[in-house]
Amino acid sequence: DAGVIQSPRHEVTEMGQEVTLRCKPISGHDYLFWYRQTMMRGLELLIYFNNNVPIDDSGMPEDRFSAKMPNASFSTLKIQPSEPRDSAVYFCASSPSGSREKLFFGSGTQLSVL
Amino acid sequence: SQQGEEDPQALSIQEGENATMNCSYKTSINNLQWYRQNSGRGLVHLILIRSNEREKHSGRLRVTLDTSKKSSSLLITASRAADTASYFCATDANAGNMLTFGGGTRLMVKP
Repeated sequence: DAGVIQSPRHEVTEMGQEVTLRCKPISGHDYLFWYRQTMMRGLELLIYFNNNVPIDDSGMPEDRFSAKMPNASFSTLKIQPSEPRDSAVYFCASSPSGSREKLFFGSGTQLSVL
Repeated sequence: SQQGEEDPQALSIQEGENATMNCSYKTSINNLQWYRQNSGRGLVHLILIRSNEREKHSGRLRVTLDTSKKSSSLLITASRAADTASYFCATDANAGNMLTFGGGTRLMVKP
């Protein structure tokens, strides 16, 4: 198995632009998590899905952030419009049974908003 | 908000020495997990300890859990330069199905 695959690996954009981050979870995993990592705030859970359905999005910072999971093998995290304070590393993780077992993380997307 | 808090924030040791990292958390948990993150990479799961367990071993790793004190420790024995990384504890609280991470300990092992 290739593991959790995220794209792009790096994204540099200008303030006000739309940014779309992509994630392919491990096949057979029913849970998908989006995390954001910054030096100031550490690792923050943004949203998680179970069987493609968003369960908890209380960590999504603002309406500018949205996440979808149209099928079991694909999820997107969109920021529109982007702001410099959104600069961070965004991680996607998947798990067969949520937080009761280990999470498998992707390599992350390094986002820089200028 | 961070459920777990690691201590120390940074640790520098010589190769061959043992490294101990501590984690404290606030609410009741189902399990506590430790992850490792190399610079510029994703997190990798190391070990999971459930709330009814007190100690667990995996290779050179030893994890303890004290639910009465809401704390855990990760011991890496006979450290190697390749152990240089950040180490995070994460808790699965009783409510919800979310894993909440602490701020991490940056470990540097000097050859």
